[in-house]
Amino acid sequence: DVKVTQSSRYLVKRTGEKVFLECVQDMDHENMFWYRQDPGLGLRLIYFSYDVKMKEKGDIPEGYSVSREKKERFSLILESASTNQTSMYLCASSFAQVTGELFFGEGSRLTVL
Amino acid sequence: GEDVEQSLFLSVREGDSSVINCTYTDSSSTYLYWYKQEPGAGLQLLTYIFSNMDMKQDQRLTVLLNKKDKHLSLRIADTQTGDSAIYFCAESRTESGAGSYQLTFGKGTKLSVIP
Repeated sequence: DVKVTQSSRYLVKRTGEKVFLECVQDMDHENMFWYRQDPGLGLRLIYFSYDVKMKEKGDIPEGYSVSREKKERFSLILESASTNQTSMYLCASSFAQVTGELFFGEGSRLTVL
Repeated sequence: GEDVEQSLFLSVREGDSSVINCTYTDSSSTYLYWYKQEPGAGLQLLTYIFSNMDMKQDQRLTVLLNKKDKHLSLRIADTQTGDSAIYFCAESRTESGAGSYQLTFGKGTKLSVIP
């Protein structure tokens, strides 16, 4: 069964802390994505990667960075967490150049106090 | 830029049909998608339609595409309480240089099914 696993379902951090959100997929997908989901705003793309060590900014990259050292793993980093980064973070992956179907993880709910 | 619009809420009685509507702006989209998100879970692909099709049927699901009006709809026949979820419409665009698809999502329609 195909799987996208996000390391933490719930996190609570303090303002200014560095936060790592990890995502691993076991489908040998080329593409990986980080979205945040907020009520009334839907899903917004933060960063994506279409190959190891490659990264592209999405629609809302400010305050975030990413790392893709291995094909199966895509990490989202908040260098200095702020309260407006309290959100649900969703990781997804897909094959390149097929239908574009995304496979999602279960999400990581981050609260920044 | 691209934008995908859908109403935020829909309420139907169990056994009735549900119709969730979506409009999109990028006429070059190759595929259009419907994703379902159950409470506390990530999104899961329900169905997709290729842009040269008008309709696609899959069991209780019917997708209609009107390319001229850039309108997509999802009809769920005989709606059940297990269909209660948030439904997202999405369109694809191909990233130049990468050759990979990126999706733009609507804000999601929360479907509530009344027993």
